[in-house]
Amino acid sequence: DVKVTQSSRYLVKRTGEKVFLECVQDMDHENMFWYRQDPGLGLRLIYFSYDVKMKEKGDIPEGYSVSREKKERFSLILESASTNQTSMYLCASSPTGPADTQYFGPGTRLTVL
Amino acid sequence: AQSVTQLDSQVPVFEEAPVELRCNYSSSVSVYLFWYVQYPNQGLQLLLKYLSGSTLVKGINGFDAEFNKSQTSFHLRKPSVHISDTAEYFCAVTYTDKLIFGTGTRLQVFP
Repeated sequence: DVKVTQSSRYLVKRTGEKVFLECVQDMDHENMFWYRQDPGLGLRLIYFSYDVKMKEKGDIPEGYSVSREKKERFSLILESASTNQTSMYLCASSPTGPADTQYFGPGTRLTVL
Repeated sequence: AQSVTQLDSQVPVFEEAPVELRCNYSSSVSVYLFWYVQYPNQGLQLLLKYLSGSTLVKGINGFDAEFNKSQTSFHLRKPSVHISDTAEYFCAVTYTDKLIFGTGTRLQVFP
C-alpha cells in the first residue's frame, strides 16, 4: 500500500512566521504535489516536482516555495505566513505521468492568526 | 485552459436511493478523467478513472461513471447509496502534465 504522510494534522502559526510543511512518500514515486483545499474552490495546485531538486509552479505559487532534496520528501514553505494562507494543505505523489493515480496524504489544517 | 465544472455543490439523498453526481469538462482534446472521494478528516482516494477504451468505467464501492465525449461529461453514479458513502467527491481532468480538480460535490446520505 502506498503511504503518504504529512508531518502535522493541525498547525497554528502567527502572521509573519516561517512555516514548513513536510510530506514523505514510501513508494519511490517520481512526482509529488502540493495542493491547498478551500471550501467552494476545490483543490488548487501550488507546486509540483518531477524529480529531485526539480520544481514547477502550479496555479497559485505566490507566497510559497518548495524543496525536494530527496526523492521521498517534498516540503512546502511559507516564507512569511499570512492569514489568507489559512487552509487545508494536501500532499500527493504519483509514479510518473498525468494518467497515473495520485496518492494523497491526510492533510494539514493550517491556521494563521 | 482546461476547466472542470461540478454543478452541484451538495446532493442530499436517502439511503438506498440512486445518485448521480455531475461533472463536465471543457477540453475538446483527448483527456484522462478521474473521480476522487474524500471521507471526513481524510485525504483523497481514487474511485475510478477513464484513460481510453470502454466509456463505462467501474470503480470501487459500487460506483461507476460514463464518459460522454460529445457532451464532455463524466458523471458518477451509484444505484443504491449507503450511509458510509457520505463524503465529498471531486472530478478531475488532466491538463498537460497536471490534474485540474472541480470544486467538489458533498454527498450527504440520510437514513
